[in-house]
Amino acid sequence: AQSVTQLDSQVPVFEEAPVELRCNYSSSVSVYLFWYVQYPNQGLQLLLKYLSGSTLVESINGFEAEFNKSQTSFHLRKPSVHISDTAEYFCAVSAPSGGSQGNLIFGKGTKLSVKP
Amino acid sequence: DGGITQSPKYLFRKEGQNVTLSCEQNLNHDAMYWYRQDPGQGLRLIYYSQIVNDFQKGDIAEGYSVSREKKESFPLTVTSAQKNPTAFYLCASRTTGGAGELFFGEGSRLTVL
Repeated sequence: AQSVTQLDSQVPVFEEAPVELRCNYSSSVSVYLFWYVQYPNQGLQLLLKYLSGSTLVESINGFEAEFNKSQTSFHLRKPSVHISDTAEYFCAVSAPSGGSQGNLIFGKGTKLSVKP
Repeated sequence: DGGITQSPKYLFRKEGQNVTLSCEQNLNHDAMYWYRQDPGQGLRLIYYSQIVNDFQKGDIAEGYSVSREKKESFPLTVTSAQKNPTAFYLCASRTTGGAGELFFGEGSRLTVL
């Protein structure tokens, strides 16, 4: 079975500072990895995903995440954050095959708060 | 535009009442899901359905029921047996056999008075 640990429940940063949101997973099989973003009282939106190939994946709004198989991590980074990045971020994992039928397992979320 | 529509957005109910949350999708997705979200606990899976007329319990199915009579629709009923129903409920869907990416609705916030 897969599991996901987001190491920080809250991350406060100042505008234009860099940020890293940490995510570790455990799985006995190969996995797909996702980052979702949630703004207040809204649903989740896919930010980026790793399926295979290049271990560095990027989103259209400047976020990137790197799949590290040896450390079983998929940390999310942005070199310079904006006020508008304030949201909750969820890391998720799924297995391409197996009894879970590809269901996503979510971490508990990290609240990113960007201060002016 | 294709997407997932949840209704109502906000719902209040008295203790002891059943309430049904609607979820409709026009993405032609086979699989649909219901999650419950509580502060600090992330998303927990309530029920999911891979195909019409079939569904499976997730991690916290007690006190909830679902149906899947049409591919587009996956309503969730929160019954009076659910001891702590106040939460934010999220419906999602995806294609089967794909990479597992989920598409979410905007959510329904249920408050029990």
